[in-house]
Amino acid sequence: QSALTQPRSVSGSPGQSVTISCTGTSSDVGGYNYVSWYQQHPGKAPKLMIYDVSKRPSGVPDRFSGSKSGNTASLTISGLQAEDEADYYCCSYAGTYTFGFGTGTKVTVL
Amino acid sequence: EVQLVESGGGLVQPGRSLRLSCAASGFTFDDYTMHWVRQAPGKGLEWVSGISWNSGSIGYADSVKGRFTISRDNAKNSLYLQMNSLRAEDTALYYCAKTGLSFNYARNWFDPWGQGTLVTVSS
Repeated sequence: QSALTQPRSVSGSPGQSVTISCTGTSSDVGGYNYVSWYQQHPGKAPKLMIYDVSKRPSGVPDRFSGSKSGNTASLTISGLQAEDEADYYCCSYAGTYTFGFGTGTKVTVL
Repeated sequence: EVQLVESGGGLVQPGRSLRLSCAASGFTFDDYTMHWVRQAPGKGLEWVSGISWNSGSIGYADSVKGRFTISRDNAKNSLYLQMNSLRAEDTALYYCAKTGLSFNYARNWFDPWGQGTLVTVSS
């Protein structure tokens, strides 16, 4: 069970787009369409942003979108806003009743 | 409104045991898989364990397998994590999380999360 690989940090100016990658293997990200993404502000519990690779829960702004190609999933934030500055984690089902999280990415709004 | 309230954390010596609880309300508890996820201070999220709605499917992270036991009491709307042989590296904030889709284990996501209970393993 290895953690999924994410860039340590990404940054962008307000209004720009940023994309966070999440690289796994054929045993997790590549093997299932069960990827989810979470936003975590300092001192707060994580919040679901994307599930089933690309679906958005109600209440999550449509500037957040998800996709997957092969063993890599991606989260894109379009029209970056100040409140989007946070840590983001991907997660995937990894077989045999286990899940794995990504290493986490800090998004900075310049 | 869904509420998840963790309890049972605290300071414990290496090698000792601790039992965490998660009290759930606001949804039909016995329809949903539940999970424990932890976060060491200043570190990322780590999935710990999950249990299906009927306790028929259970999974553990390699890092806790053989030491931790997850269980649930649907009559009490409660989730538990029995942690034995605790190590310094088990020090973390432990979150309880509900899954989004009922009667599913694999195809699922964590929503919402509780506020967590802090476990500190130190002599």
